[in-house]
Amino acid sequence: GESVGLHLPTLSVQEGDNSIINCAYSNSASDYFIWYKQESGKGPQFIIDIRSNMDKRQGQRVTVLLNKTVKHLSLQIAATQPGDSAVYFCAENRKTGANNLFFGTGTRLTVIP
Amino acid sequence: SAVISQKPSRDICQRGTSLTIQCQVDSQVTMMFWYRQQPGQSLTLIATANQGSEATYESGFVIDKFPISRPNLTFSTLTVSNMSPEDSSIYLCSVEGQGDYGYTFGSGTRLTVV
Repeated sequence: GESVGLHLPTLSVQEGDNSIINCAYSNSASDYFIWYKQESGKGPQFIIDIRSNMDKRQGQRVTVLLNKTVKHLSLQIAATQPGDSAVYFCAENRKTGANNLFFGTGTRLTVIP
Repeated sequence: SAVISQKPSRDICQRGTSLTIQCQVDSQVTMMFWYRQQPGQSLTLIATANQGSEATYESGFVIDKFPISRPNLTFSTLTVSNMSPEDSSIYLCSVEGQGDYGYTFGSGTRLTVV
């Protein structure tokens, strides 16, 4: 079936390095994508989003890249800090004008001091 | 973005009982969403709740098991009925964000059924 999936369930990076978290999606009708960060015991926290009419969007230390040709989404975190350690989820909105987020399986990012 | 207050934050319940989870938003929102996050897994949408109408349930979720109320534009409840250990999960409510804030989530209710 259709799914939003992640290539790697875990990722460990050295503090100060850049992190790249990947996500594959299979629904070409999806028009909106969001990256969330979830720390232990907390709800998902919005990081950055991108609409399907864009290829790249930058925030503070984060960049999201969207490749619609291969249905691939990535989150880049610059100068990764210990506070970035968390589980990261990508989510897609599959219905234009409606609101139905479908979440990927998640990647656990561990930052090594 | 909206601020969501969800309670209880956690509970331990006996099987066969029911638990009602409350979600309060600091602004009026059209749609509220309830998710389940099983241990170590991702989020799965249970239902969408619009004020003044019946909730819309996703495949695999039924109203008898997860009744939802939406009495006004700032509040919703989710009840987990006749609980079994398989219902042990984190339950989260969410609302559509404004502008560039995507969908906002509450901090979740960690439910353990024994």
